[in-house]
Amino acid sequence: EIVLTQSPGTLSLSPGERATLSCRASQSVSGSYLAWYQQKPGQAPRLLIYGASSRATGIPDRFSGSGSGTDFTLTISRLEPEDFAMYYCQQYGSSPGITFGPGTKVDIK
Amino acid sequence: EVQLVESGGGLVQPGRSLRLSCAASGFTFDDYAMHWVRQAPGKGLEWVSGINWNSGRKVYADSVKGRFTISRDNAKNSLDLQMNSLRAEDTAFYYCAKDMQSYGSGLFDYWGQGTPVTVSS
Repeated sequence: EIVLTQSPGTLSLSPGERATLSCRASQSVSGSYLAWYQQKPGQAPRLLIYGASSRATGIPDRFSGSGSGTDFTLTISRLEPEDFAMYYCQQYGSSPGITFGPGTKVDIK
Repeated sequence: EVQLVESGGGLVQPGRSLRLSCAASGFTFDDYAMHWVRQAPGKGLEWVSGINWNSGRKVYADSVKGRFTISRDNAKNSLDLQMNSLRAEDTAFYYCAKDMQSYGSGLFDYWGQGTPVTVSS
């Protein structure tokens, strides 16, 4: 099973700032099958990025993903008030062993 | 508009059973694999089980293998999760999630709002 580690655990930033979230895998993620989800309190997760760098339908272009192999990054270029939330990375290249990272909380500084 | 509505959650004693359901609408249900994902209180996401479009492939997390059974009824646009021998560690919000592919890529583009399951005596 591929174990995902996310850092930092919490990121405290102000609106308008740039957020950089990291996801590291215990072994190479085949085909860059790495996704990012956003979850707000009391809500279901929402798909942001898949295939490491492709934005899901309706996701603003301030969200971008990059990386390959074992190191991946989610960047939010300019934080909007609605972006303060929990973010999870997920690998889906080794089904049935689909795994999620523990999450990074982006909160308001 | 894609809608996934879970039901069937509740309070159950350890060792007992519970059956969750997910009603799907707004897309061609039998074109896609479906999954269950859970989230324990204050914790992260854990994939539980998945089923491909025609029920020919069912997969489970090790933590539930042998206790949980996933099934679907394409005529009724519904997905079920039969949970037996429940344990305290199964306490979580259970989400129904739509896969982006028919075979089960493991990538979830739509999620329901979830149903809570509490296992306690």
